[in-house]
Amino acid sequence: DIVLTQSPGTLSLSPGETATLSCRASQFVRLSHLAWYQQRPGQAPRLLISGTSSRATGIPDRFSGGGSGTDFTLTISRLEPEDFAVYYCQQYHIPPRTFGQGTKVEI
Amino acid sequence: QVQLVQSGAEVKKPGASVKVSCRTSGYRFTAYYLHWVRQAPGQGPEWMGRIHPNSGDTKYGQKFQGRVTMTRDTSITTGYMELSNLTSDDTAIYYCARDDPYGDLDLWGQGTQVTVSS
Repeated sequence: DIVLTQSPGTLSLSPGETATLSCRASQFVRLSHLAWYQQRPGQAPRLLISGTSSRATGIPDRFSGGGSGTDFTLTISRLEPEDFAVYYCQQYHIPPRTFGQGTKVEI
Repeated sequence: QVQLVQSGAEVKKPGASVKVSCRTSGYRFTAYYLHWVRQAPGQGPEWMGRIHPNSGDTKYGQKFQGRVTMTRDTSITTGYMELSNLTSDDTAIYYCARDDPYGDLDLWGQGTQVTVSS
């Protein structure tokens, strides 16, 4: 199985700052098969970014994704209070689809 | 309204089985794969498997082979996930999620808490 390692585990920032989250895969992942999800406390995950860099419907342009090969990033600019949550990367290049362990963005 | 609505919380004893339902609405049920993902306390999500509601074709994660069964009832646009021989390690929130045409999980149920305790 492809292992996704996210870093850092926790990111402590203030509203208005920029968060940069990393996701490293244990082997090559096709660009079109890497996604990011946001999970707020007590809620289901929500699709943020698909295909490495395409924002899902309704996701503000403060969220951007990039990377290739085995290294991917999620950048959140101008942090808003509602952005403080846990973020997961996920691949479905090679079954089974796998998720990272998450990065918590906290105030 | 496009949504997935799951059944309520369950408490089971070790060795028992649990069956969680996922009622869909607002879209063509038979056109999208339905996946099941679970999340243990403090952990990342874990993919369990998926079913194609049109054909009934299933694919399960190796970890769950032999213990999980995914089914569907197209007449009521509902998917089901049954997990047998439960242990305390199966205590988790179980989610159903729709697979969009690009393979992303774009719509999720609210989750069902399953607690396994003697």
